[in-house]
Amino acid sequence: KAGVTQTPRYLIKTRGQQVTLSCSPISGHRSVSWYQQTPGQGLQFLFEYFSETQRNKGNFPGRFSGRQFSNSRSEMNVSTLELGDSALYLCASSTLTGTYTDTQYFGPGTRLTVL
Amino acid sequence: GENVEQHPSTLSVQEGDSAVIKCTYSDSASNYFPWYKQELGKRPQLIIDIRSNVGEKKDQRIAVTLNKTAKHFSLHITETQPEDSAVYFCAASKASGGSYIPTFGRGTSLIVHP
Repeated sequence: KAGVTQTPRYLIKTRGQQVTLSCSPISGHRSVSWYQQTPGQGLQFLFEYFSETQRNKGNFPGRFSGRQFSNSRSEMNVSTLELGDSALYLCASSTLTGTYTDTQYFGPGTRLTVL
Repeated sequence: GENVEQHPSTLSVQEGDSAVIKCTYSDSASNYFPWYKQELGKRPQLIIDIRSNVGEKKDQRIAVTLNKTAKHFSLHITETQPEDSAVYFCAASKASGGSYIPTFGRGTSLIVHP
């Protein structure tokens, strides 16, 4: 099966702009999670979508939002960009193991630079 | 919320030596513990995982141990090779809304010298 893909791979924006990142999960995976990775804070959970519904949310401001489509593809949006939003944004997909989804399979990430 | 401490932050070994990375977690509800390897410029990849009903798991040169009482788990790599050089992340996951949501440690940079 093809792995998780993310587009674009690199993005440069200026403060105040908004950005949309896209993630296509492994075929058959219905759960998509988003993470922010920075040298200072490490890997932090943003939110998780399952069958088009947000099931879990991390501790990020409302400027960070997402959605999932019926084909399980997901988008993440960041509005009013701040310098501190510069990071590698990773998405991960997972599938049901029993009654829960567990193992996360990561995409290559989108490197966002905010100037 | 869950807090995961990972040590050491950097580990330098000679090829052929063993490497041990340790993590502690705070939430006793966590019951799934994956380990990820991230090479420079690449995506994190699962290398091994363990569930709370198991104390130890091994896969070739890699093993993970879990002590639920003490809330700590460790990654052991034997006969290290230069290609093992990478950043390793531990995670403690607990069930939430039908998913296991991981809280990651800050990572250990493993350097294996030829």
